[in-house]
Amino acid sequence: EVQLVQSGAEVKKAGESLKISCKASGYSFTTHWIAWVRQMPGRGLEWMGIIYPGDSDTRYSPSFQGQVTMSADESISTAYLQWSSLEASDTAMYYCARQLGLYHYSMDVWGKGTTVTVSS
Amino acid sequence: QSVLTQPPSVSGAPGQRVTISCTGSSSNIGAGYKVHWYQQVPGTAPELLISGDNNRPSGVPDRFSASESGTSASLDITGLQAEDEAVYYCQSYDSSLSGFYVFGTGTKVTVL
Repeated sequence: EVQLVQSGAEVKKAGESLKISCKASGYSFTTHWIAWVRQMPGRGLEWMGIIYPGDSDTRYSPSFQGQVTMSADESISTAYLQWSSLEASDTAMYYCARQLGLYHYSMDVWGKGTTVTVSS
Repeated sequence: QSVLTQPPSVSGAPGQRVTISCTGSSSNIGAGYKVHWYQQVPGTAPELLISGDNNRPSGVPDRFSASESGTSASLDITGLQAEDEAVYYCQSYDSSLSGFYVFGTGTKVTVL
């Protein structure tokens, strides 16, 4: 079974750093893209960026470029999303999702999400 | 600010048909990039409902269908059921500076 298992909820203070994870199983991790999607409380979905674990090719949405860093460790089939200095506005649910390719491909498998709460 | 616009809500009685529109532009749907639809039941993660070219993942009933025309796309739900109550998002690639992939604003479907 193809699965993406995300790390648990986080409660942080503004200015702290954070790294959340997304562990893949049931498929070849290195040959499929992993996308990250933000959902702020009561709001819609926002595409943040995408990483190809096979060569760490990473593309960021202009809205998130410079704000977060995506990475992947193929030895443990895990993708990461990290912040160096959190802000209260980073409070949201973050989802990872598998994407089979670029441009025309959908996100066919999703993780259950990681809730990030940042207090000021 | 999303570049794919959806109506905030639609509603229908059980058994009825509802249609959700997704209006884009020449840099996304109009450029031929495929449109995908996701369903998000409150409190849960989104799930792929229909991928481009009207492909439904295993387990998605054929009551759900999608189409595209020009710079817009639509999701049809026929034979509406209580379990269809959720928020639906369209999604596509956008070649402009506004973003790489974009989601629609989301539509809440209420079963009366």
